[in-house]
Amino acid sequence: DAGVIQSPRHEVTEMGQEVTLRCKPISGHDYLFWYRQTMMRGLELLIYFNNNVPIDDSGMPEDRFSAKMPNASFSTLKIQPSEPRDSAVYFCASSRTARRETQYFGPGTRLLVL
Amino acid sequence: KNEVEQSPQNLTAQEGEFITINCSYSVGISALHWLQQHPGGGIVSLFMLSSGKKKHGRLIATINIQEKHSSLHITASHPRDSAVYICAVVGNQFYFGTGTSLTVIP
Repeated sequence: DAGVIQSPRHEVTEMGQEVTLRCKPISGHDYLFWYRQTMMRGLELLIYFNNNVPIDDSGMPEDRFSAKMPNASFSTLKIQPSEPRDSAVYFCASSRTARRETQYFGPGTRLLVL
Repeated sequence: KNEVEQSPQNLTAQEGEFITINCSYSVGISALHWLQQHPGGGIVSLFMLSSGKKKHGRLIATINIQEKHSSLHITASHPRDSAVYICAVVGNQFYFGTGTSLTVIP
């Protein structure tokens, strides 16, 4: 298996632009997680899905952030409009059967908003 | 107040040394994870614990549910162990420690 795939790996954009991050989880994994990592705040869970359904989005910072999982093999995290404080590394992870089980992380998307 | 506290924040060791990283938490949990983040940024899950002890190669992780404490041990440390080690707990929410930066010198 190729593992969790994220794209793009790097994104540089200007403030106010829409940013879309993509994730393909490991096949057969029921849970998908979106994380954000910054120097100031460390790792934070933004949202997670179970069987394509959003379960907990309490970590989503504000309405500018939205996430979807239209099918079992694809998820997006969208920021509109983007702001410089959104600059971070965004990780996607998946796990097989339960939110407490071992998670497999993607390589991350490094986002810089100018 | 941080729900998860790690110590030490930074650690430098000579190759071959035995290393311990500690994690204390203040919330009820169903599982605790140890994550490893290499300088390149990738994150790997090392262990998932709900009780007792787990061992994988030179790595050993223990958890004491009553004391709300976990330790990650590295035996015979090697420069390739240099990374940031993050403790994460799963309760009603997910909580993360700020990480321990380990440098192993040849």
